[in-house]
Amino acid sequence: KNQVEQSPQSLIILEGKNCTLQCNYTVSPFSNLRWYKQDTGRGPVSLTIMTFSENTKSNGRYTATLDADTKQSSLHITASQLSDSASYICVVSAQSGTASKLTFGTGTRLQVTL
Amino acid sequence: GAGVSQTPSNKVTEKGKYVELRCDPISGHTALYWYRQSLGQGPEFLIYFQGTGAADDSGLPNDRFFAVRPEGSVSTLKIQRTERGDSAVYLCASSFGGGSYNEQFFGPGTRLTVL
Repeated sequence: KNQVEQSPQSLIILEGKNCTLQCNYTVSPFSNLRWYKQDTGRGPVSLTIMTFSENTKSNGRYTATLDADTKQSSLHITASQLSDSASYICVVSAQSGTASKLTFGTGTRLQVTL
Repeated sequence: GAGVSQTPSNKVTEKGKYVELRCDPISGHTALYWYRQSLGQGPEFLIYFQGTGAADDSGLPNDRFFAVRPEGSVSTLKIQRTERGDSAVYLCASSFGGGSYNEQFFGPGTRLTVL
C-alpha cells in the first residue's frame, strides 16, 4: 500500500529561525513529489515539485530535497515568518497511464511565533 | 484569474439527509478531482474526472457517494443518506491535464458536518 509519513507532526519555532520538515514515502512506481502549504481553512497550494532525477528544488525561502534511493524528502524553511504558519503536506505521485494518483501525508503543522 | 471555487463553504445537515457539493474548476482545466480531508489528516482521493467522464472512482467509499460532471466543467459531489462519519472537508482540485506532472489547483473546500 502506498504511504507517505511526515515528521514532526507539529512544530513551534520563533520568527526568523530555520526549520526542516521530513517526509518518508513508500509509493511505487514513483513519479514525482510535491510539497504543499495549506493555510487554515484553505486548499493546499503547491510549493515545489521534484522528479526522480532532481535532488533539490528551491522556491524563495523554501528548499526541498529528495533522496530517491532512501525514499526521503525534506522541506527546509529559512528565516521563518509569521505567515509561514500552516500545515505542510508531502504528496507523492505514482506513475499512472491515465491519472495522477496522489498519496498525501498527514502534514506537519508549523506555528511561527514572536 | 479565478481559481477553483466550491460552494457552499459550510454545510450542516442531519444524519440521513442528502447533500450536494459543487465545484467550479479553473476554466480550461480538463481534469477534476474530489478529495476528502478529515481533521488532522491529509486529503484522501475520491474520484477523478477527465472531461465529462469519471476516469477513476476507486476512492469513493461506498455507493452513497456519487459525482457528476455533465458538461466537463462544473462538478457536483452527491452524498445520500449522510452519516456522521461523512463529516469532513471536501476538497476539489483541477488541472490542465490528468498527467502526474500537471499541478492540481485546490479550492478552499466545503466543510460538511453531519449531526
